[in-house]
Amino acid sequence: EADIYQTPRYLVIGTGKKITLECSQTMGHDKMYWYQQDPGMELHLIHYSYGVNSTEKGDLSSESTVSRIRTEHFPLTLESARPSHTSQYLCASSSDRGNVDTQYFGPGTRLTVL
Amino acid sequence: GDSVTQMEGPVTLSEEAFLTINCTYTATGYPSLFWYVQYPGEGLQLLLKATKADDKGSNKGFEATYRKETTSFHLEKGSVQVSDSAVYFCALRGTYSGAGSYQLTFGKGTKLSVIP
Repeated sequence: EADIYQTPRYLVIGTGKKITLECSQTMGHDKMYWYQQDPGMELHLIHYSYGVNSTEKGDLSSESTVSRIRTEHFPLTLESARPSHTSQYLCASSSDRGNVDTQYFGPGTRLTVL
Repeated sequence: GDSVTQMEGPVTLSEEAFLTINCTYTATGYPSLFWYVQYPGEGLQLLLKATKADDKGSNKGFEATYRKETTSFHLEKGSVQVSDSAVYFCALRGTYSGAGSYQLTFGKGTKLSVIP
């Protein structure tokens, strides 16, 4: 069973605010990911990390930033939120242990920027 | 590059009907294949997976067989329930090719509604 947590689950904020979406996993996975899910359900990879102090941008350009200071923690930050950032954000983690690199997802954060 | 194509929804079925959601892929080498399910208001959950040709993944009455000759991984269930109403995503993980090799390529999702 996957143990990956995201907070908050829902967030409504005004334009221009700085926000941080939290993601933590207790499985010791080395790889972590952030996806943005649009209203049409399609998933877009926006950031990923192979380990501590490693971060890369994904396929979809995003104004957000991430950090990976601890293995279990992969927060995503928006310095100045805009209505175009309104979306569902999903965090995932994976490991090569057991040979198949399977991604496990958190419950998501639904962000609304007014 | 890698790609996944799954049948477009939404799909509406009556309870106890047979379900098939088609998924085909394009990839080099021998990718691992996955089906994820997303219930309303939640994240994605791994439903089943297959790592090599002819493998059959199964879970909760759902099955999918990795068919390399047709590059397909269709999801099936013999008798759906109302509780199966969700969005289903087909995904592949390509074989190692350097940076980015750990990324999943997702289909666009198929919304299933099961009515009593």
